[in-house]
Amino acid sequence: EVLLVESGGGLVQPGGSLRLSCAASGFIFSSYELNWVRQAPGKGLEWVSHISGSGSATYYADSVKGRFTISRDNAKNSLYLQMDSLRAEDTAVYYCARSRRRSLDYWGQGSLVTVSS
Amino acid sequence: DVVMTQSPLSLPVTLGQPASISCRSSQSLVYSDGDIYLNWFHQRPGQSPRRLIYKVFNRDSGVPDRFSGSGSGTDFTLKISRVEAEDVGVYYCMQGTHWPWTFGQGTKVEIK
Repeated sequence: EVLLVESGGGLVQPGGSLRLSCAASGFIFSSYELNWVRQAPGKGLEWVSHISGSGSATYYADSVKGRFTISRDNAKNSLYLQMDSLRAEDTAVYYCARSRRRSLDYWGQGSLVTVSS
Repeated sequence: DVVMTQSPLSLPVTLGQPASISCRSSQSLVYSDGDIYLNWFHQRPGQSPRRLIYKVFNRDSGVPDRFSGSGSGTDFTLKISRVEAEDVGVYYCMQGTHWPWTFGQGTKVEIK
């Protein structure tokens, strides 16, 4: 069974930093691309970032480019999102999602990030 | 960025009746390999999204056959042949052809 479990969310002040993690199991981790997708309270889904299986290729939404960094550790079956210079508009549930053939086939349960003073 | 426009945004339906959601993209979703990377997701209240359909019309394992996807180019449709109570929630289309990947605004399906 494919499992994706996010952690690391919480309350952070504007301008602060936070690192999300996603622990994966049930599949050959290095063979799959991974993504972060977020959902602001009461709002729709927004794709945030993507990383290739090897970690050599990454993509970002313009809204987070230069502030967020996606990375992965294939030895630990883990995905990360380093979030710096956080803003109030970054408040959202952040989902880890596996991708294959340009689609998101499995999602985690999400981790809430709240940016507020 | 490719803009995905869904309609309607709210869809009250009667149990057992059909439902249809439209998704239009601001540019063609045909990728260089000839495939169209248009997906549909369903999100129940308080839950994570779940993929229903990939590459326009391919149903995921375990998705009831009352769900069907169709379309081409820039116009796509998700149809539910007979709505059941478990189908309530928000439906999103998403394109994976162009970076950045983008979602529609979502269509909220509720029972009348």
